[in-house]
Amino acid sequence: QQQVKQSPQSLIVQKGGISIINCAYENTAFDYFPWYQQFPGKGPALLIAIRPDVSEKKEGRFTISFNKSAKQFSLHIMDSQPGDSATYFCAAQVGGGADGLTFGKGTHLIIQP
Amino acid sequence: NAGVTQTPKFRILKIGQSMTLQCTQDMNHNYMYWYRQDPGMGLKLIYYSVGAGITDKGEVPNGYNVSRSTTEDFPLRLELAAPSQTSVYFCASSYNRANTEAFFGQGTRLTVV
Repeated sequence: QQQVKQSPQSLIVQKGGISIINCAYENTAFDYFPWYQQFPGKGPALLIAIRPDVSEKKEGRFTISFNKSAKQFSLHIMDSQPGDSATYFCAAQVGGGADGLTFGKGTHLIIQP
Repeated sequence: NAGVTQTPKFRILKIGQSMTLQCTQDMNHNYMYWYRQDPGMGLKLIYYSVGAGITDKGEVPNGYNVSRSTTEDFPLRLELAAPSQTSVYFCASSYNRANTEAFFGQGTRLTVV
């Protein structure tokens, strides 16, 4: 049973465009929703994270939108650059729990120059 | 600042062999995790630890064992390697409470033949 569903599996965006990746979750006990960025041969690194008490969080060109009632959240990359080409994972964690993150399957993003 | 260090980076094992994947962190984090990453499947939690002497199973623990004798080290043991354990393994650590950034190592790529 996949608790965090991520789409699309792959995405090609032109330089300067907006990249949008979507995730949906099932477990209402989740209350921490990070996005991780992974380059080939490297470990994932935290990009941006949100908690369900806010509907949007922006850091530079990266924005998380969160819809608690729909149990969905998304990552928007504005003015996408070739250096943003990477695999992106959404994740979720149960509040107060130390038992790790539940990850989506990942989105392979390619930004074409 | 080394962060999370994993060794080895690559390893080929024969079926039935055993090995230990090493993980050490220098951030004085109490929480440590082992994940495996398979193509198109995201990351799945194998084992986690909330402090020295305390470990617990994650989503996919079968075929693996862990120990946590110190805060810094969290080795993962494969006793009887099987082809299904071919994967990339990531160790991660986070601060002394849940729902904070997890820092990942660079991974160990393991092939079982």
